[in-house]
Amino acid sequence: ELKVEQNPLFLSMQEGKNYTIYCNYSTTSDRLYWYRQDPGKSLESLFVLLSNGAVKQEGRLMASLDTKARLSTLHITAAVHDLSATYFCAVERAYDYKLSFGAGTTVTVRA
Amino acid sequence: KAGVTQTPRYLIKTRGQQVTLSCSPISGHRSVSWYQQTPGQGLQFLFEYFSETQRNKGNFPGRFSGRQFSNSRSEMNVSTLELGDSALYLCASRNQGGYEQYFGPGTRLTVT
Repeated sequence: ELKVEQNPLFLSMQEGKNYTIYCNYSTTSDRLYWYRQDPGKSLESLFVLLSNGAVKQEGRLMASLDTKARLSTLHITAAVHDLSATYFCAVERAYDYKLSFGAGTTVTVRA
Repeated sequence: KAGVTQTPRYLIKTRGQQVTLSCSPISGHRSVSWYQQTPGQGLQFLFEYFSETQRNKGNFPGRFSGRQFSNSRSEMNVSTLELGDSALYLCASRNQGGYEQYFGPGTRLTVT
């Protein structure tokens, strides 16, 4: 069974500093996703990573994928309060037609 | 283009009752997936439909069922509700051949 582990599960960030969230998965997968969820809301897609070495950036967020290590990282640069949310990674194998999610990382940004 | 819509948004049911949730995908999307989100178990896959065919099913009891109609709208049904079925139920749609899954706002089900 495909297992997805995120760490840390909770992250208290200081505004202006840099942080990284890690996502490990147990078996070869074809796609890796990062989502953001605000309290009481649905999932907002941040990135889809398809190949080894893929790197995507949007604003203060940058995601990368190392398929050999089965590891993806979500790097946050110069944290701001608006980034407070829960971040999920999910992986998918082609023809499984399902996402397997990590437990989520709850991020709180403090002044 | 309108996003994924789910109805109802909130629902309160009693143990033993049954419930039907509805999901309308983005126009043109033929794949619809359902997920259950709870504080204890996180986000878990329920099932996926494409062109009215279930292509995958998660590890949920038979009380959970779904279907998809010819217009790609999907419903999921939970019979004999249990307290543990209280959750946020999310559906997502995807274009054929696409990677991105677009999630709806969810239906929050409370079982008392």
